[in-house]
Amino acid sequence: DVKVTQSSRYLVKRTGEKVFLECVQDMDHENMFWYRQDPGLGLRLIYFSYDVKMKEKGDIPEGYSVSREKKERFSLILESASTNQTSMYLCASSLAGQGVYNEQFFGPGTRLTVL
Amino acid sequence: AQSVAQPEDQVNVAEGNPLTVKCTYSVSGNPYLFWYVQYPNRGLQFLLKYITGDNLVKGSYGFEAEFNKSQTSFHLKKPSALVSDSALYFCAVRDVNQGGKLIFGQGTELSVKP
Repeated sequence: DVKVTQSSRYLVKRTGEKVFLECVQDMDHENMFWYRQDPGLGLRLIYFSYDVKMKEKGDIPEGYSVSREKKERFSLILESASTNQTSMYLCASSLAGQGVYNEQFFGPGTRLTVL
Repeated sequence: AQSVAQPEDQVNVAEGNPLTVKCTYSVSGNPYLFWYVQYPNRGLQFLLKYITGDNLVKGSYGFEAEFNKSQTSFHLKKPSALVSDSALYFCAVRDVNQGGKLIFGQGTELSVKP
């Protein structure tokens, strides 16, 4: 079974702090994704990565950056946390390649509160 | 533009009754469609997908979904609902421009009462 783990289930930070959210997958997937989930807005893609050291902006990248130094690890960074970044953050991974139909596997989520 | 719509924010069903959670899509070319379920304070779990072939797709936990090309729909169904099916359900379609991406609907909250 694919396993996607996230470093924290719950996190409380103060405005202005730098925040790191870590995600690790154990199935050698090429693709990794960061979403945020807010009530009534569904899942919104922040950033994704197709390979090590590669990143692409999603729909809402402002205020976030990412790092992918190793294939299994994809980090989301909030450079200076703000209260409007209080949300549930979900990491996902999937295989890439021709004939592969992009089923994504999700981690348990990190509920971040910024005070 | 590609999109997925889940027209109902909430669906209420009595236990033992059939359930339907609706999804419609808009995408050029062949759609690749997915359903996910999210239990409270958890990540999303994959239920089923339609790639090609049979319009009726069977998935986990007794769920199935019917692909209807003429109506551009992919409704999730279950013949007999359980209280434990109460959760948030998301429909998604593969982004034809960036194949690794999925476009998600807003989600539908399913509530099954005893």
